[in-house]
Amino acid sequence: EAGVAQSPRYKIIEKRQSVAFWCNPISGHATLYWYQQILGQGPKLLIQFQNNGVVDDSQLPKDRFSAERLKGVDSTLKIQPAKLEDSAVYLCASSHRQVFDQNTEAFFGQGTRLTVV
Amino acid sequence: GNSVTQMEGPVTLSEEAFLTINCTYTATGYPSLFWYVQYPGEGLQLLLKATKADDKGSNKGFEATYRKETTSFHLEKGSVQVSDSAVYFCALIRSNYQLIWGAGTKLIIKP
Repeated sequence: EAGVAQSPRYKIIEKRQSVAFWCNPISGHATLYWYQQILGQGPKLLIQFQNNGVVDDSQLPKDRFSAERLKGVDSTLKIQPAKLEDSAVYLCASSHRQVFDQNTEAFFGQGTRLTVV
Repeated sequence: GNSVTQMEGPVTLSEEAFLTINCTYTATGYPSLFWYVQYPGEGLQLLLKATKADDKGSNKGFEATYRKETTSFHLEKGSVQVSDSAVYFCALIRSNYQLIWGAGTKLIIKP
């Protein structure tokens, strides 16, 4: 079974530029998550999709971050304009259930390491 | 509120040493608890979990017991290997099913 695919693996941009990340979840998984992981910290949930609808985006900085999941499969996360503090690893995860209940596991991609200079 | 506190790293051990990584939590109700592992250059993987008090999760020689009385979920392994070098994250699940993460503990095993 193929895992969660993310691209690119690495990206370096200047502040105020824009950047987009792509995620292809495991086939058939209805739930997709985007996390931001700053060095030395645990992952922070940015947005959670159920199929192509947003379940939770309460921690997404909506003035500069946007995400979409057209057709309930692939997803893109965009930052425009980027700030220095956006430097982090952006992780995508998917799950076949909407929630982390006792029998659910989230599968993570390798992440995209963003450096804003 | 809900939170997870892990011991700070890095933790450096020699091969075959005994490992303990401490994790304590604060939460309302009875959350499920998880340990995730992140190997160098890879994504997060679920290592083990426990869903109720006194449950013991185990995988790959690692164990953790859900201790309600001490609100702890410490990760242990009797004999570590170089291949165990990674970052370990303790996490709990909230009532709205979001994961709350610890800051992670980097483990370095020297041959």
